[in-house]
Amino acid sequence: DTAVSQTPKYLVTQMGNDKSIKCEQNLGHDTMYWYKQDSKKFLKIMFSYNNKELIINETVPNRFSPKSPDKAHLNLHINSLELGDSAVYFCASSPRDNEQFFGPGTRLTVL
Amino acid sequence: KQEVTQIPAALSVPEGENLVLNCSFTDSAIYNLQWFRQDPGKGLTSLLLIQSSQREQTSGRLNASLDKSSGRSTLYIAASQPGDSATYLCAVPDTGNTPLVFGKGTRLSVIA
Repeated sequence: DTAVSQTPKYLVTQMGNDKSIKCEQNLGHDTMYWYKQDSKKFLKIMFSYNNKELIINETVPNRFSPKSPDKAHLNLHINSLELGDSAVYFCASSPRDNEQFFGPGTRLTVL
Repeated sequence: KQEVTQIPAALSVPEGENLVLNCSFTDSAIYNLQWFRQDPGKGLTSLLLIQSSQREQTSGRLNASLDKSSGRSTLYIAASQPGDSATYLCAVPDTGNTPLVFGKGTRLSVIA
């Protein structure tokens, strides 16, 4: 199926751990994004990559580091996890100047 | 900086009613506008994309309109069904291929 996929779907971990979330799109899109949906369900951009290059980095703690090994993948690594990092993280992709398609989300719970 | 507002925050209607969800944005220089649907605990499903040069888009029972000059968009749902119950999100990019700025959504409940 053509889509944006994320793994894992659920992630439960202890404070202080380091974890990664993977995202892949097989839509041939140039641009990929990471969004965070907080406990109040508000969606906000974290990072934007275009052709493997970081374009936008909103005010996000530097414990969050995106990595794009190729145009189809954008992974998110989080160091020293904190309680406040608990949220749903969505990956998305789009062709230039057009509709964005979202992955199913990764629900991160930090205990 | 672009801000998106959605009214109402929640809406409950009986099955079969037609309804309108509203979205407004502060900077009218948008490239396009997207409406999404999000079911509880699920991801976002793109419903309609309106380019800045368009006035409306239709998909089945859904019709989205765009008035760039006044910074408004509406999503019209005809003959609502219980399966339409979800949160509806409006989003715009600032320019071109930039990330979307989202509204806080309208939570719709259609009662059978």
